[in-house]
Amino acid sequence: AQKITQTQPGMFVQEKEAVTLDCTYDTSDPSYGLFWYKQPSSGEMIFLIYQGSYDQQNATEGRYSLNFQKARKSANLVISASQLGDSAMYFCAMREVSNRDDKIIFGKGTRLHILP
Amino acid sequence: DAMVIQNPRYQVTQFGKPVTLSCSQTLNHNVMYWYQQKSSQAPKLLFHYYDKDFNNEADTPDNFQSRRPNTSFCFLDIRSPGLGDAAMYLCATSGGYTEAFFGQGTRLTVV
Repeated sequence: AQKITQTQPGMFVQEKEAVTLDCTYDTSDPSYGLFWYKQPSSGEMIFLIYQGSYDQQNATEGRYSLNFQKARKSANLVISASQLGDSAMYFCAMREVSNRDDKIIFGKGTRLHILP
Repeated sequence: DAMVIQNPRYQVTQFGKPVTLSCSQTLNHNVMYWYQQKSSQAPKLLFHYYDKDFNNEADTPDNFQSRRPNTSFCFLDIRSPGLGDAAMYLCATSGGYTEAFFGQGTRLTVV
């Protein structure tokens, strides 16, 4: 069963607007972490933001914030004031840690296009 | 300074000829991962190490093997590459709950 779901294969957003990328997840583990990564056309995977399952507040990193709704099992990425350089593939990922095992699995991604 | 380094960035190999991709880290992280990413797809976890404990994903082909001789280095061996193995291979490390860093990847072409 798919554990990370990103329902938006592609999005087009006007420059300077805010954008929300959706991510839902499924786990029975009470302890987990959620990541967002950006992957430009060069292929490197750039870490954006992290949210732990026990974190009381939503994570923020500059223009990036994570809208964490634990009961709904959603972890949407919000990018404020989008820029042309934000055009890239965005992946949501979940980390599950158990006794001497530590896996990170990815959703299928959303391709974001910022329009001038 | 690069913290997770993958070599080479680009690798061309012949069909059926063994190839090894390498990953090194300067972070002293105890977990290392190998992912395969094909065009326009999500990274797919092949293996990961928790220290020296090896974890193989159930659907990772037998053609793929891995070695981790020490904390800093990890290798991905493809014994007999096929055309379907052409992909970007990503190495990542993790040392704490909030950290997971990727190398720049090795793009493998099979001819």
